[in-house]
Amino acid sequence: TQLLEQSPQFLSIQEGENLTVYCNSSSVFSSLQWYRQEPGEGPVLLVTVVTGGEVKKLKRLTFQFGDARKDSSLHITAAQPGDTGLYLCAGWVTGGGNKLTFGTGTQLKVEL
Amino acid sequence: KAGVTQTPRYLIKTRGQQVTLSCSPISGHRSVSWYQQTPGQGLQFLFEYFSETQRNKGNFPGRFSGRQFSNSRSEMNVSTLELGDSALYLCASSLARTGSYEQYFGPGTRLTVT
Repeated sequence: TQLLEQSPQFLSIQEGENLTVYCNSSSVFSSLQWYRQEPGEGPVLLVTVVTGGEVKKLKRLTFQFGDARKDSSLHITAAQPGDTGLYLCAGWVTGGGNKLTFGTGTQLKVEL
Repeated sequence: KAGVTQTPRYLIKTRGQQVTLSCSPISGHRSVSWYQQTPGQGLQFLFEYFSETQRNKGNFPGRFSGRQFSNSRSEMNVSTLELGDSALYLCASSLARTGSYEQYFGPGTRLTVT
C-alpha cells in the first residue's frame, strides 16, 4: 500500500504554462518534503513543510501543506525547460522514526 | 562541504552473485539511510543506520543487509542476487535520526542483474 499518492503521474506542458502537482495520503505526517530528481542522479531537496496550512515559496515554486498534515501541493508558475524532472513528495509518518516515505512521483516535461 | 558519495556508480552482476555498495555521508552526518528505486515500485526505504546501529528497517528480505562504520561510512550488501534487484540504490545522510532533519542524497549506484 502506497502511503503517498501523487497526481498526475505524468505531465507534459509548454514553457510558460502553470501547473500543480498533488500529494495525498490518509496518514498524518509530522513533516513533508518535496524533491526533484534528474535522470541518473539522487533526489535533491526543494523544501520542507512542517506546520499544517504552511505555504512556502521558492522563486516560481509554491508549496502548501494541508491543514490536517495529510496532503501537500506544489505549484509552478511559468514553467521553464529547466523545471523538467521527477518530482517526489516524501514524509515522515508521526512516530515512524527516520523512515522517509516517498510518493509515487510526478514526471514533468517542459518543452520549448 | 562535499556531498554524499556512493561507489561504484554502475555495477553489473549475474543472478546468484552478491554485491556490496558503499556510501560516504556528508562530514558530520551520523545517520545514513538506504533506498531502492525502481520504475515499478518507486523509492522504497531499505534501512537506516545511526552510530553503527541499525535503527529502522523497511520491508525487504534478509538478503539485503548493511552496516555502518565508526566514521559513519556505510555499506549495504545484497546476497544471492535476483533479476528483480536491478535498481538504483540511493544513500542519504542526515545530521541526526529524527524526522525533522533533512536528508541529503547521493547520486546512487545503478545495479543491473543479468
